[in-house]
Amino acid sequence: NAGVMQNPRHLVRRRGQEARLRCSPMKGHSHVYWYRQLPEEGLKFMVYLQKENIIDESGMPKERFSAEFPKEGPSILRIQQVVRGDSAAYFCASSPHPMDTQYFGPGTRLTVL
Amino acid sequence: KNEVEQSPQNLTAQEGEFITINCSYSVGISALHWLQQHPGGGIVSLFMLSSGKKKHGRLIATINIQEKHSSLHITASHPRDSAVYICSLSADGLTFGKGTHLIIQP
Repeated sequence: NAGVMQNPRHLVRRRGQEARLRCSPMKGHSHVYWYRQLPEEGLKFMVYLQKENIIDESGMPKERFSAEFPKEGPSILRIQQVVRGDSAAYFCASSPHPMDTQYFGPGTRLTVL
Repeated sequence: KNEVEQSPQNLTAQEGEFITINCSYSVGISALHWLQQHPGGGIVSLFMLSSGKKKHGRLIATINIQEKHSSLHITASHPRDSAVYICSLSADGLTFGKGTHLIIQP
């Protein structure tokens, strides 16, 4: 059973471009969580999704950020018009049930030039 | 909003020592997670607990709901245990502690 997969592992964008980060949960997991870790800072929760639904987006910045988890395919975290402050490691985790142990992906390191 | 305090922030110990990392929080929770972040950045879930105690290999996690406190213990510590250990709470949303930077010297 493959673990949580994230791609790309490293992403470089120029200011104003769009960044799309993908997360494929573990097989059988329908709950996906996105986290951001800014340089020299701790993890921060962004959004929790269950298939086709956003359950909790209390940690998402109000503008430019969106997330989806379609019925088919990976979960996508989309950042529009990126700025330098968006440079961070973005981690995805999945679980089979809510409030269950979360399994983390390797992360996507976004660098905005 | 739930406040999470981890202690110590930094800990350096010798190989073989018994390690304790603490996590205190301010309001009721439904579950508490201990995470391990390796020097390369990868994150592993160690435990999820809502009561009592769990053990996995040399790692032991305990939680006292009444005192709003959890501890992560490492027995017979080894240099490969060197990592950042993060306490995370599930309550009204998810809240993370700042992490404990652990270095085990050979």
